Amino acid sequence: GAGVSQSPSNKVTEKGKDVELRCDPISGHTALYWYRQSLGQGLEFLIYFQGNSAPDKSGLPSDRFSAERTGGSVSTLTIQRTQQEDSAVYLCASKQSSYNSPLHFGNGTRLTVT
Amino acid sequence: AQTVTQSQPEMSVQEAETVTLSCTYDTSESDYYLFWYKQPPSRQMILVIRQEAYKQQNATENRFSVNFQKAAKSFSLKISDSQLGDAAMYFCAYANAGGTSYGKLTFGQGTILTVHP
Repeated sequence: GAGVSQSPSNKVTEKGKDVELRCDPISGHTALYWYRQSLGQGLEFLIYFQGNSAPDKSGLPSDRFSAERTGGSVSTLTIQRTQQEDSAVYLCASKQSSYNSPLHFGNGTRLTVT
Repeated sequence: AQTVTQSQPEMSVQEAETVTLSCTYDTSESDYYLFWYKQPPSRQMILVIRQEAYKQQNATENRFSVNFQKAAKSFSLKISDSQLGDAAMYFCAYANAGGTSYGKLTFGQGTILTVHP
């Protein structure tokens, strides 16, 4: 079956612009995670959605970052007023509801802020 | 807070030989999970192997096995009979057990593995 799909694969934007990154999880997966992979900080957890519960936003680095998940499926990560330090690969992962079911990752979006 | 440390930025191995990647971690929790993930150039993180801290037996998945030393907080990955397709970045990761913590991973810095034919 289809895996986790992320779009765009690559995104180049100018400093100060807003960007939206999309994640389409595996059908039936109720949990969805966003991670950021950057040269300086390595891999970091950003935000977590589980069903209809309030998201765990504890990893978001600043209020310029936000995410939503519509209808319990597709998620969008929005970065406002992008800065050069936002350049990174943004990875999305999804999993089934049973707590120790494995994470399935997408191929990520490489964001470059010029 | 938990931390994960991979002290080998790069490793190399000859095809068909065995290589061991090192990982240490720090936590005050008694129940948790440890993982090794592989990241090829496609960027997709692929789960290689998982260890539950309460299990004393080391996990094994085909050519991949771990040496889990709970007291020493060490979690190394052994790749036997290395293949060209094993070349990738390998990440050690930690997650608290229970509740919603399982998917909130703390990653190490990664080890680039090169496999020579």
